[in-house]
Amino acid sequence: EDQVTQSPEALRLQEGESSSLNCSYTVSGLRGLFWYRQDPGKGPEFLFTLYSAGEEKEKERLKATLTKKESFLHITAPKPEDSATYLCAVQRIGGTASKLTFGTGTRLQVTL
Amino acid sequence: DAGITQSPRYKITETGRQVTLMCHQTWSHSYMFWYRQDLGHGLRLIYYSAAADITDKGEVPDGYVVSRSKTENFPLTLESATRSQTSVYFCASSFRDSKYTDTQYFGPGTRLTVL
Repeated sequence: EDQVTQSPEALRLQEGESSSLNCSYTVSGLRGLFWYRQDPGKGPEFLFTLYSAGEEKEKERLKATLTKKESFLHITAPKPEDSATYLCAVQRIGGTASKLTFGTGTRLQVTL
Repeated sequence: DAGITQSPRYKITETGRQVTLMCHQTWSHSYMFWYRQDLGHGLRLIYYSAAADITDKGEVPDGYVVSRSKTENFPLTLESATRSQTSVYFCASSFRDSKYTDTQYFGPGTRLTVL
C-alpha cells in the first residue's frame, strides 16, 4: 500500500528564515510526486510535479527536490503570504489511473 | 474563466436528510474525484470517475452515491446524512501530461454540517 508521511506537522518561521518541509513516501513505482498549497477555506492549489530522483523544480521562493525515498520543499526567505498548508501526494505506476495518495500536510506559519 | 466549481459552498442539514453536492468542470478532463478532508485524516477519496457513466469506489464510499451522465458534471449524494459525514468536500479533475502523470486540480470545496 502506498504511504506518504509529511513532517513536521506544523512549522512556524520568522520572515526571511529559510527552512525545508519533508515528504517521505513508499510506493512500488513512482509515476509522479506532487506538491500542493492549501490556504484556509480553499481547495488545494497545484505547485509542482516531480518525476524522477534528482529532479528539482522552482517557483518564486519555493524549490522542490526528489530522491528515491523523499521529497523536500525548500522555502527560501519566506514571507507571511507563504503561510499555508503544504500537501504532498504520489501517483503509482500501474495503479488505478489518476489516483493519488496524499499526506496529511505541513501547516506553515510565517510571522513578521 | 475555465475551471472547476462546486455548489453549494456551505450547507447545513439534519440527520437523515438527502443532500447533493454539485461539481462542474470546464476543462473536459476525463477523470473526476470526490474527497473529504477531516482534521487528522487529510484528504480521503470517496469516489472517482474515469469518464461519463464509469464510476468506482475510493477509500471511504459508504453512505455516498455518485453519478456521471455528462463529462463535465459529477454530483455526490448523501442519501441519508449522518453526523459523521460533517466534513469539507472537495471535487477534483485530472489532466494527463506527456509523461502519463495525472495532475489533479481541485475545486473550492463545500463545507457540510450535519446536525
